Amino acid sequence: AQSVTQPDIHITVSEGASLELRCNYSYGATPYLFWYVQSPGQGLQLLLKYFSGDTLVQGIKGFEAEFKRSQSSFNLRKPSVHWSDAAEYFCAAQNNAGNLLTFGGGTRLMVKP
Amino acid sequence: DADVTQTPRNRITKTGKRIMLECSQTKGHDRMYWYRQDPGLGLRLIYYSFDVKDINKGEISDGYSVSRQAQAKFSLSLESAIPNQTALYFCATSDGPRLFNEQFFGPGTRLTVL
Repeated sequence: AQSVTQPDIHITVSEGASLELRCNYSYGATPYLFWYVQSPGQGLQLLLKYFSGDTLVQGIKGFEAEFKRSQSSFNLRKPSVHWSDAAEYFCAAQNNAGNLLTFGGGTRLMVKP
Repeated sequence: DADVTQTPRNRITKTGKRIMLECSQTKGHDRMYWYRQDPGLGLRLIYYSFDVKDINKGEISDGYSVSRQAQAKFSLSLESAIPNQTALYFCATSDGPRLFNEQFFGPGTRLTVL
């Protein structure tokens, strides 16, 4: 069965520190991969997406993610976290037939001053 | 104005009541989706519709029904609400058909069933 796993339910980092949020997928073939962010009281906003090609993709708000086929991973990174990055982050996958999204369980990021 | 709106934003109801959550979009998209979000489980798909005449069950459709009244409107109903339907509900839309269709999300409806 297709699945997306985010091993970390909560992560706390200090403002200005680097961030890495983990995501692993289990699909028959390499899916399309996404990271969404959900700020408090808001819907989900797409941060970045990976289809093929360069394994390092850039997104909005200074985020990037690296696709590693050998590890079935698509980890999200940011060099320096800002207090406004506190939110819940979801990794998602879509099979390459253009159909439905499967979401991971989410990682809640807290930022310490 | 928001492209995807959901009403109500918050609702508290009692077990056994019928509840309707509404979603409207101004993006002109054909595809619409209903998800529920539970802590630690992410978003799970309840129903989806690829056009006005198309309705499909998602991963967790039991206890829910939907109506696609127009291209822009997609309603989710709980015929007889139960406490384990307490959750945050999201509507989303996307264009199609293409290999990739970014989904755009509404702000969510927080439903509490007592």
